[in-house]
Amino acid sequence: AQRVTQPEKLLSVFKGAPVELKCNYSYSGSPELFWYVQYSRQRLQLLLRHISRESIKGFTADLNKGETSFHLKKPFAQEEDSAMYYCALRGNTPLVFGKGTRLSVIA
Amino acid sequence: EAGVAQSPRYKIIEKRQSVAFWCNPISGHATLYWYQQILGQGPKLLIQFQNNGVVDDSQLPKDRFSAERLKGVDSTLKIQPAKLEDSAVYLCASRSSGGANGELFFGEGSRLTVL
Repeated sequence: AQRVTQPEKLLSVFKGAPVELKCNYSYSGSPELFWYVQYSRQRLQLLLRHISRESIKGFTADLNKGETSFHLKKPFAQEEDSAMYYCALRGNTPLVFGKGTRLSVIA
Repeated sequence: EAGVAQSPRYKIIEKRQSVAFWCNPISGHATLYWYQQILGQGPKLLIQFQNNGVVDDSQLPKDRFSAERLKGVDSTLKIQPAKLEDSAVYLCASRSSGGANGELFFGEGSRLTVL
Protein backbone atom coordinates (compact mmCIF):
# COMPACT_ATOMS: atom_id res chain seq x y z
CA ALA A 1 0.00 0.00 0.00
CA GLN A 2 1.08 3.55 -0.66
CA ARG A 3 1.12 5.94 2.26
CA VAL A 4 2.48 9.43 2.87
CA THR A 5 3.08 10.77 6.37
CA GLN A 6 3.60 14.40 7.24
CA PRO A 7 4.15 14.39 10.99
CA GLU A 8 3.69 18.12 11.59
CA LYS A 9 0.28 19.76 11.18
CA LEU A 10 1.71 23.20 11.83
CA LEU A 11 5.21 24.59 11.59
CA SER A 12 5.97 28.14 12.67
CA VAL A 13 9.33 29.76 11.92
CA PHE A 14 10.71 33.28 11.96
CA LYS A 15 11.52 35.08 8.74
CA GLY A 16 15.06 34.29 7.68
CA ALA A 17 15.19 31.02 9.63
CA PRO A 18 15.71 27.66 7.91
CA VAL A 19 12.67 25.55 7.12
CA GLU A 20 12.30 21.79 6.90
CA LEU A 21 8.93 20.20 6.21
CA LYS A 22 9.07 16.47 6.83
CA CYS A 23 7.62 13.80 4.58
CA ASN A 24 7.96 10.05 4.93
CA TYR A 25 6.46 7.51 2.58
CA SER A 26 5.65 3.85 2.40
CA TYR A 27 5.92 2.12 -0.96
CA SER A 28 7.70 -1.05 -1.99
CA GLY A 29 8.57 0.02 -5.54
CA SER A 30 10.29 3.06 -7.02
CA PRO A 31 8.15 6.05 -6.12
CA GLU A 32 7.69 9.40 -7.74
CA LEU A 33 7.53 12.11 -5.07
CA PHE A 34 6.07 15.59 -5.30
CA TRP A 35 5.45 18.63 -3.15
CA TYR A 36 2.25 20.58 -3.79
CA VAL A 37 1.49 23.96 -2.21
CA GLN A 38 -1.71 25.88 -1.56
CA TYR A 39 -1.37 29.59 -0.83
CA SER A 40 -4.24 31.44 0.81
CA ARG A 41 -7.25 31.69 -1.53
CA GLN A 42 -5.39 29.96 -4.35
CA ARG A 43 -5.69 26.52 -5.86
CA LEU A 44 -3.42 23.60 -5.13
CA GLN A 45 -0.35 23.70 -7.38
CA LEU A 46 2.83 21.77 -7.97
CA LEU A 47 5.90 23.13 -6.20
CA LEU A 48 8.49 20.58 -7.19
CA ARG A 49 9.04 16.94 -8.09
CA HIS A 50 11.97 14.75 -7.11
CA ILE A 51 12.80 13.65 -10.62
CA SER A 52 13.53 17.23 -11.70
CA ARG A 53 16.06 17.80 -8.92
CA GLU A 54 15.41 21.53 -9.17
CA SER A 55 15.09 24.42 -6.74
CA ILE A 56 11.78 26.29 -6.89
CA LYS A 57 11.32 29.52 -4.92
CA GLY A 58 14.42 28.53 -2.96
CA PHE A 59 12.93 25.16 -1.92
CA THR A 60 14.67 21.85 -2.53
CA ALA A 61 13.78 18.26 -1.69
CA ASP A 62 15.94 15.18 -1.91
CA LEU A 63 14.56 11.68 -2.15
CA ASN A 64 16.22 9.45 0.46
CA LYS A 65 15.24 5.89 -0.36
CA GLY A 66 17.08 4.48 2.65
CA GLU A 67 15.05 6.58 5.05
CA THR A 68 11.98 6.66 2.76
CA SER A 69 11.85 10.41 3.12
CA PHE A 70 11.38 13.43 0.88
CA HIS A 71 11.78 16.41 3.19
CA LEU A 72 11.27 19.93 1.82
CA LYS A 73 13.92 22.47 2.77
CA LYS A 74 14.62 26.15 2.39
CA PRO A 75 17.60 27.91 4.00
CA PHE A 76 15.89 31.25 4.65
CA ALA A 77 12.11 31.44 5.07
CA GLN A 78 10.16 34.36 3.64
CA GLU A 79 6.72 35.61 4.69
CA GLU A 80 5.32 34.70 1.28
CA ASP A 81 6.19 31.05 1.96
CA SER A 82 3.30 30.84 4.43
CA ALA A 83 0.94 28.22 2.96
CA MET A 84 -0.25 24.60 3.19
CA TYR A 85 2.27 22.11 1.87
CA TYR A 86 1.33 18.61 0.77
CA CYS A 87 3.72 15.79 0.04
CA ALA A 88 2.43 13.35 -2.59
CA LEU A 89 3.49 9.98 -3.95
CA ARG A 90 2.74 8.26 -7.22
CA GLY A 91 3.48 4.57 -7.28
CA ASN A 92 1.28 2.11 -9.11
CA THR A 93 -1.81 4.22 -8.41
CA PRO A 94 -2.66 7.89 -8.90
CA LEU A 95 -1.25 10.52 -6.57
CA VAL A 96 -1.63 9.83 -2.85
CA PHE A 97 -1.36 12.91 -0.63
CA GLY A 98 -0.25 13.39 2.93
CA LYS A 99 -2.41 15.34 5.37
CA GLY A 100 -0.41 18.49 4.86
CA THR A 101 1.67 20.86 6.96
CA ARG A 102 0.74 24.48 7.45
CA LEU A 103 3.84 26.66 7.35
CA SER A 104 3.55 29.98 9.10
CA VAL A 105 6.46 32.42 8.67
CA ILE A 106 6.51 35.07 11.35
CA ALA A 107 7.92 38.50 10.54
CA GLU B 1 -4.10 28.90 -20.99
CA ALA B 2 -7.36 28.59 -19.07
CA GLY B 3 -7.20 26.52 -15.92
CA VAL B 4 -9.45 23.76 -14.64
CA ALA B 5 -12.95 25.15 -14.10
CA GLN B 6 -15.32 23.85 -11.45
CA SER B 7 -18.85 24.75 -10.40
CA PRO B 8 -20.55 25.46 -8.16
CA ARG B 9 -17.94 26.88 -5.79
CA TYR B 10 -20.18 26.39 -2.77
CA LYS B 11 -23.20 24.21 -2.07
CA ILE B 12 -25.22 23.68 1.09
CA ILE B 13 -27.74 20.84 1.19
CA GLU B 14 -29.54 18.77 3.78
CA LYS B 15 -28.70 15.12 4.33
CA ARG B 16 -30.42 12.72 1.95
CA GLN B 17 -30.58 15.38 -0.77
CA SER B 18 -28.61 15.08 -3.98
CA VAL B 19 -25.90 17.31 -5.46
CA ALA B 20 -23.87 17.46 -8.65
CA PHE B 21 -20.52 19.05 -9.37
CA TRP B 22 -19.16 19.93 -12.76
CA CYS B 23 -15.59 20.09 -14.02
CA ASN B 24 -14.08 21.35 -17.25
CA PRO B 25 -10.41 20.32 -17.53
CA ILE B 26 -7.63 22.08 -19.36
CA SER B 27 -8.08 21.71 -23.09
CA GLY B 28 -6.35 18.63 -24.43
CA HIS B 29 -5.84 16.97 -21.06
CA ALA B 30 -6.82 13.34 -21.40
CA THR B 31 -6.66 12.42 -17.72
CA LEU B 32 -9.15 13.78 -15.22
CA TYR B 33 -9.36 13.16 -11.49
CA TRP B 34 -11.89 13.84 -8.74
CA TYR B 35 -10.47 14.17 -5.24
CA GLN B 36 -12.31 14.62 -1.94
CA GLN B 37 -10.65 16.81 0.68
CA ILE B 38 -12.15 16.68 4.15
CA LEU B 39 -11.18 19.51 6.50
CA GLY B 40 -7.75 18.92 8.01
CA GLN B 41 -6.82 16.15 5.61
CA GLY B 42 -5.08 15.83 2.29
CA PRO B 43 -6.92 15.20 -0.97
CA LYS B 44 -8.17 11.63 -1.38
CA LEU B 45 -8.72 10.20 -4.85
CA LEU B 46 -12.28 9.28 -5.73
CA ILE B 47 -12.00 8.47 -9.43
CA GLN B 48 -9.62 8.77 -12.38
CA PHE B 49 -10.70 9.00 -16.02
CA GLN B 50 -8.56 8.52 -19.11
CA ASN B 51 -10.54 10.18 -21.91
CA ASN B 52 -14.06 8.84 -21.28
CA GLY B 53 -13.01 5.60 -19.59
CA VAL B 54 -12.66 4.92 -15.87
CA VAL B 55 -9.10 3.97 -14.85
CA ASP B 56 -9.49 3.80 -11.08
CA ASP B 57 -12.66 4.12 -8.99
CA SER B 58 -11.63 1.80 -6.18
CA GLN B 59 -12.18 4.47 -3.51
CA LEU B 60 -15.46 5.82 -4.86
CA PRO B 61 -18.41 4.97 -2.55
CA LYS B 62 -20.48 3.61 -5.37
CA ASP B 63 -23.66 3.24 -3.35
CA ARG B 64 -24.02 7.03 -3.31
CA PHE B 65 -21.37 8.55 -5.56
CA SER B 66 -21.28 8.44 -9.33
CA ALA B 67 -19.19 10.19 -11.95
CA GLU B 68 -19.14 10.36 -15.70
CA ARG B 69 -17.12 11.88 -18.51
CA LEU B 70 -19.24 10.97 -21.46
CA LYS B 71 -17.44 12.82 -24.25
CA GLY B 72 -13.99 12.67 -22.74
CA VAL B 73 -13.95 16.35 -21.82
CA ASP B 74 -16.26 17.68 -19.07
CA SER B 75 -17.04 15.56 -16.06
CA THR B 76 -19.83 15.45 -13.49
CA LEU B 77 -19.63 14.04 -9.97
CA LYS B 78 -22.94 13.26 -8.27
CA ILE B 79 -23.80 12.38 -4.68
CA GLN B 80 -27.19 10.86 -3.95
CA PRO B 81 -28.23 10.70 -1.17
CA ALA B 82 -25.76 12.89 0.70
CA LYS B 83 -24.60 12.12 4.22
CA LEU B 84 -23.15 14.45 6.84
CA GLU B 85 -19.70 12.92 6.35
CA ASP B 86 -19.71 13.99 2.68
CA SER B 87 -19.05 17.57 3.76
CA ALA B 88 -15.77 18.36 2.04
CA VAL B 89 -14.13 20.20 -0.82
CA TYR B 90 -14.37 18.28 -4.09
CA LEU B 91 -11.35 18.94 -6.26
CA CYS B 92 -11.09 18.26 -9.94
CA ALA B 93 -7.66 17.93 -11.54
CA SER B 94 -6.41 17.21 -15.02
CA ARG B 95 -3.16 16.08 -16.55
CA SER B 96 -1.91 15.80 -20.10
CA SER B 97 -1.04 12.33 -21.28
CA GLY B 98 2.49 13.29 -22.20
CA GLY B 99 4.89 11.65 -19.77
CA ALA B 100 4.37 9.74 -16.55
CA ASN B 101 5.51 12.70 -14.46
CA GLY B 102 2.93 15.08 -15.87
CA GLU B 103 1.87 17.75 -13.44
CA LEU B 104 -1.66 17.71 -12.06
CA PHE B 105 -3.52 20.98 -12.51
CA PHE B 106 -6.25 21.55 -9.93
CA GLY B 107 -9.45 23.52 -10.02
CA GLU B 108 -10.49 25.83 -7.18
CA GLY B 109 -12.76 23.16 -5.77
CA SER B 110 -16.43 22.85 -4.86
CA ARG B 111 -17.12 23.16 -1.15
CA LEU B 112 -20.04 21.01 0.00
CA THR B 113 -21.74 21.42 3.36
CA VAL B 114 -24.28 18.77 4.33
CA LEU B 115 -26.59 19.77 7.20
